[in-house]
Amino acid sequence: GQSLEQPSEVTAVEGAIVQINCTYQTSGFYGLSWYQQHDGGAPTFLSYNALDGLEETGRFSSFLSRSDSYGYLLLQELQMKDSASYFCAVRGLGSARQLTFGSGTQLTVLP
Amino acid sequence: DGGITQSPKYLFRKEGQNVTLSCEQNLNHDAMYWYRQDPGQGLRLIYYSQIVNDFQKGDIAEGYSVSREKKESFPLTVTSAQKNPTAFYLCASKPEERSPLHFGNGTRLTVT
Repeated sequence: GQSLEQPSEVTAVEGAIVQINCTYQTSGFYGLSWYQQHDGGAPTFLSYNALDGLEETGRFSSFLSRSDSYGYLLLQELQMKDSASYFCAVRGLGSARQLTFGSGTQLTVLP
Repeated sequence: DGGITQSPKYLFRKEGQNVTLSCEQNLNHDAMYWYRQDPGQGLRLIYYSQIVNDFQKGDIAEGYSVSREKKESFPLTVTSAQKNPTAFYLCASKPEERSPLHFGNGTRLTVT
């Protein structure tokens, strides 16, 4: 089976940097993805790591360490609009090749 | 503009009734998915379809049924056998296996 763990809540102030961690267990591994969801809305894709290292997309970066079964999403220069839920997701092998999502981290950005 | 349309946004039903949630996409994506989201929780896969006339059970398929008669459409029926049907239902699609998911805006189903 597959399982992911991420913190349920994170709070930070505008302009700060925040890191959202994700640890996973999976029978196979095809990559770690991150999605953002504003309250009551559609999740939107943020980033994907198939290999170890850092992927940067503007203010957002995502990191993966396959040997540690660990990744994180780094948000820089936080803005109020970044207040949302952030989900990590993994794709495994066989019948589990569909995405399995973590339970999400609610990020609150304070003024 | 291309996208995924889920309708209606809010749906109310009485316990014991079947209800069908609509999902239409004009992105020409082969694969389509249904996820369920409960408050404060992640997304759980109900059913998915990688091609027309074929679909597979996800992690929580019991009490649900789907059909995939057209590439553009992937309706989900929540049957009376689903014990806790009240939830937020999200439809998604993607063009190929390694692509990210594109989500619709969801349908919030309340069963009383």
